[in-house]
Amino acid sequence: EAQVTQNPRYLITVTGKKLTVTCSQNMNHEYMSWYRQDPGLGLRQIYYSMNVEVTDKGDVPEGYKVSRKEKRNFPLILESPSPNQTSLYFCASSYGTSSGETQYFGPGTRLLVL
Amino acid sequence: GENVEQHPSTLSVQEGDSAVIKCTYSDSASNYFPWYKQELGKGPQLIIDIRSNVGEKKDQRIAVTLNKTAKHFSLHITETQPEDSAVYFCAAPQAGTALIFGKGTTLSVSS
Repeated sequence: EAQVTQNPRYLITVTGKKLTVTCSQNMNHEYMSWYRQDPGLGLRQIYYSMNVEVTDKGDVPEGYKVSRKEKRNFPLILESPSPNQTSLYFCASSYGTSSGETQYFGPGTRLLVL
Repeated sequence: GENVEQHPSTLSVQEGDSAVIKCTYSDSASNYFPWYKQELGKGPQLIIDIRSNVGEKKDQRIAVTLNKTAKHFSLHITETQPEDSAVYFCAAPQAGTALIFGKGTTLSVSS
């Protein structure tokens, strides 16, 4: 089944404790991105990647890192999480790098930083 | 960059009624306008999109209209059903590689 998977789905952590949220897609998509969803703010892009070893900042990149060592994986790294990073996170992928491509979203990761 | 405004933020309708959600965008060069539906506990999923060379597109009970002159586009859902209850997001392209999403509309359909 074609899909985007994220792990973990739920995570509670404490301020400053490094964490990684994994994202994997099995559709051979070139483009992958991370979004955060907050009440009243909608979906905001954190980082995106147009291909292996090619990443760039989205609208809200502060406090996050990403890497794209393989085409299928695009982990999101919070080196020192803070409470304002408590949010619902989505990974998405699309076949091409144009914004006119359908984006396929993962199921989401709900993060609580205490 | 692109700015997308979406209204209303919440919408409640009776089953069988129609629902309309509107979005405006700022970049006149934008040429692709998708709508995503997010059901509870799931990620957003594309339900319909429209490109700038057409003014309307339909798919069964849902339709999207585009007014490029006024820079707005709308989602129309007819004969609403309880399973249409969800959060709906409009979007417009930015810088050719990203989508800017509206803040979302929570649609509630009561039977």
